[in-house]
Amino acid sequence: AQTVTQSQPEMSVQEAETVTLSCTYDTSESDYYLFWYKQPPSRQMILVIRQEAYKQQNATENRFSVNFQKAAKSFSLKISDSQLGDAAMYFCAYRRLDTGTASKLTFGTGTRLQVTL
Amino acid sequence: GAVVSQHPSRVICKSGTSVKIECRSLDFQATTMFWYRQFPKKSLMLMATSNEGSKATYEQGVEKDKFLINHASLTLSTLTVTSAHPEDSSFYICSAPKVGDNQPQHFGDGTRLSIL
Repeated sequence: AQTVTQSQPEMSVQEAETVTLSCTYDTSESDYYLFWYKQPPSRQMILVIRQEAYKQQNATENRFSVNFQKAAKSFSLKISDSQLGDAAMYFCAYRRLDTGTASKLTFGTGTRLQVTL
Repeated sequence: GAVVSQHPSRVICKSGTSVKIECRSLDFQATTMFWYRQFPKKSLMLMATSNEGSKATYEQGVEKDKFLINHASLTLSTLTVTSAHPEDSSFYICSAPKVGDNQPQHFGDGTRLSIL
């Protein structure tokens, strides 16, 4: 079974600074997807960024980027120029590369990010 | 706008009652939907996979008779918490994958269930 581990329960960053959230996973699959989700106090689940395992290039979405190390099974999220609105729970998630739509997401335990002035 | 609607957003009821939560895909058909449970400050734990026209697939440790799932149409799945007790109090979230969409799953806004 796949597992996703986030070793940082809480992180704090000053506004405008950069922070990196860690995620490791375990799988026997060679192809899969990885995601970072943000969950603000409203409890909505917001997709931040996605990475296909077969792509060597790290995904980037504006201020958000990942460092995907397939051999190490590591998938960290870097948030640059942090903003107050970035404060939330962040979940790393794994999904198998099924051709159908019935592939479930496996979530990590989450990292609570605080952004300070 | 939202593509998955979850209702109700908040429920408070007495112990022993049954509570139904609805999850609707608004502009697409979803043969599969997922139900998650989230405890305070914890991660989302998959409870079951809802399959249109067939039985749901439950994760290990989830009581099938306690958490009844029905997926009677291509746009609606329901989760019924039967004979609810205080330990069933939690945040429940549904999601549905949309074929051809960039997002792996679209999430509802969740239901906060409080059993007194």
